[in-house]
Amino acid sequence: AQKVTQAQTEISVVEKEDVTLDCVYETRDTTYYLFWYKQPPSGELVFLIRRNSFDEQNEISGRYSWNFQKSTSSFNFTITASQVVDSAVYFCALSENQFYGGSQGNLIFGKGTKLSVKP
Amino acid sequence: EPEVTQTPSHQVTQMGQEVILRCVPISNHLYFYWYRQILGQKVEFLVSFYNNEISEKSEIFDDQFSVERPDGSNFTLKIRSTKLEDSAMYFCASSWGPYNEQFFGPGTRLTVL
Repeated sequence: AQKVTQAQTEISVVEKEDVTLDCVYETRDTTYYLFWYKQPPSGELVFLIRRNSFDEQNEISGRYSWNFQKSTSSFNFTITASQVVDSAVYFCALSENQFYGGSQGNLIFGKGTKLSVKP
Repeated sequence: EPEVTQTPSHQVTQMGQEVILRCVPISNHLYFYWYRQILGQKVEFLVSFYNNEISEKSEIFDDQFSVERPDGSNFTLKIRSTKLEDSAMYFCASSWGPYNEQFFGPGTRLTVL
């Protein structure tokens, strides 16, 4: 079973539309960390956000916002008023602690969602 | 702004040859990682390294792979005898703590012919 599921393989929107990228995770740990990374066409992995499992407050950073819901094991990412420069593959990732034999800080990535923003 | 660097950006090698991929992590970071991404697929963990030893390795990281921190700045991944299926983008990452955000290098694209 996948620990991080990004069910949307590809999403295409027109500039200025809002778009939400879904991420569902699975873990037995009570302490864990969730991340989003952006991979633009140039290929590098750009860190966007890190949340720990005890902080369920939603976060907003400019046009980006994140909705963390432990009840549904989801950590969704919304881009408001999308722009062409937002076109990229977005990865959600999980880091578990070692209580249940998880790895020390290693990131478990989802398969990614490719977002295309058209002008 | 400090960043992780990797060399070379692209390496082409013949099957069976040894390759060494090099990384310079961010200077005050303590945890180092290698990941790989086969073209079009997800990023997969290979190995983590802390305090001059391997903390964890995945099942991908078999006896053909090794890592080393030969000096205070470099962090290397060696593949002893490359196979066609080792063709991938290899990313180095570093973080200050084990659960802090990891910053990734630009990657080395390895092509095995």
